[in-house]
Amino acid sequence: GENVEQHPSTLSVQEGDSAVIKCTYSDSASNYFPWYKQELGKRPQLIIDIRSNVGEKKDQRIAVTLNKTAKHFSLHITETQPEDSAVYFCASDGGFKTIFGAGTRLFVKA
Amino acid sequence: DAGITQSPRHKVTETGTPVTLRCHQTENHRYMYWYRQDPGHGLRLIHYSYGVKDTDKGEVSDGYSVSRSKTEDFLLTLESATSSQTSVYFCAISEIQGDDEQYFGPGTRLTVT
Repeated sequence: GENVEQHPSTLSVQEGDSAVIKCTYSDSASNYFPWYKQELGKRPQLIIDIRSNVGEKKDQRIAVTLNKTAKHFSLHITETQPEDSAVYFCASDGGFKTIFGAGTRLFVKA
Repeated sequence: DAGITQSPRHKVTETGTPVTLRCHQTENHRYMYWYRQDPGHGLRLIHYSYGVKDTDKGEVSDGYSVSRSKTEDFLLTLESATSSQTSVYFCAISEIQGDDEQYFGPGTRLTVT
């Protein structure tokens, strides 16, 4: 079946450093790639998304890149802050079902 | 947060008993989803609905059934709960299918003993 692989599963960075999370998808029909952030005990919430007609998108300290040929997309967080500590999920959507990655637990050390 | 609630928020039940979880939305979104969240697996789709009385299976649908008799309510039923169904269950909604943000409910923590 279709799947999304996400790496790393855990990431620890020093405050102010950058964090990068990478995902690979298998469904060639996927054209929408959202990223969700889930704080401890809370619901997942969308932080940024990208569509297949765009290679990069940025929103303040967060950016996402997409390489459709290689079926890779990545989340970049710059100048990390303690409040960035959470679990991040990537996902791919081909129009019928959203497939989520297994998640990356990000720790930002003050 | 979008107008989406889940009930109950916590439940402990015994193996073999039936359990129904409710998702209620006030956004009038057409699409509703049930996911389960387990460590190391992210969010896995159980069932989804694309309209009243219109539902389809997700990737982990065995042991679960759903019903949607009204736009605002989407019910998930475990006919005979098993310990492997201990999980956190999230409901989500979206206006369109694919190419659209999903809004998640607060989650239901279910423990099957």
